[in-house]
Amino acid sequence: KNEVEQSPQNLTAQEGEFITINCSYSVGISALHWLQQHPGGGIVSLFMLSSGKKKHGRLIATINIQEKHSSLHITASHPRDSAVYICAVAKASYDKVIFGPGTSLSVIP
Amino acid sequence: EPEVTQTPSHQVTQMGQEVILRCVPISNHLYFYWYRQILGQKVEFLVSFYNNEISEKSEIFDDQFSVERPDGSNFTLKIRSTKLEDSAMYFCASSGTGGGYTFGSGTRLTVV
Repeated sequence: KNEVEQSPQNLTAQEGEFITINCSYSVGISALHWLQQHPGGGIVSLFMLSSGKKKHGRLIATINIQEKHSSLHITASHPRDSAVYICAVAKASYDKVIFGPGTSLSVIP
Repeated sequence: EPEVTQTPSHQVTQMGQEVILRCVPISNHLYFYWYRQILGQKVEFLVSFYNNEISEKSEIFDDQFSVERPDGSNFTLKIRSTKLEDSAMYFCASSGTGGGYTFGSGTRLTVV
């Protein structure tokens, strides 16, 4: 069983829509990362969470440690948000990061 | 904002050749990592490095792979005798105080 799962696998949205991507994990963690990857491109770190909620611009990330679940929300989505969004966890500080399979988001004008 | 720099961005090599992928981590980071992503698959851990030695490696990281921090700024991944299945995107990452992670933009390795 994969230690990190994401849903949905693929997501198509109209510009302006509110988007939610979910992540669940099965191991104890010290931190959860949300990452963005454009096609053929590098990985950009969006958030690192160990509890609660973080906001950056139109992006909001939440985590529920007890339920082993995190969500990434995008408000007022834009075509430039089209990318793969990856949830990844670290079991301990400075430990390797275990990646989820990613959610491919396409925002249509 | 500090960056992790990887070179080259794309490398094509003949099967059986040695390749060295280079990374310059963030200067005050102490933990370094290599990951790879085969096309269409999720990112996989290869190796972590701290205090000039490997701290953890995956089963992918066999005797064909090695890592080195030759001069205090560069962090390299060497593949001794490349195979077709080594074709992938290779990402370097570094981590510092507070466990924050920074990834490089990747090197796309194509073995022909």
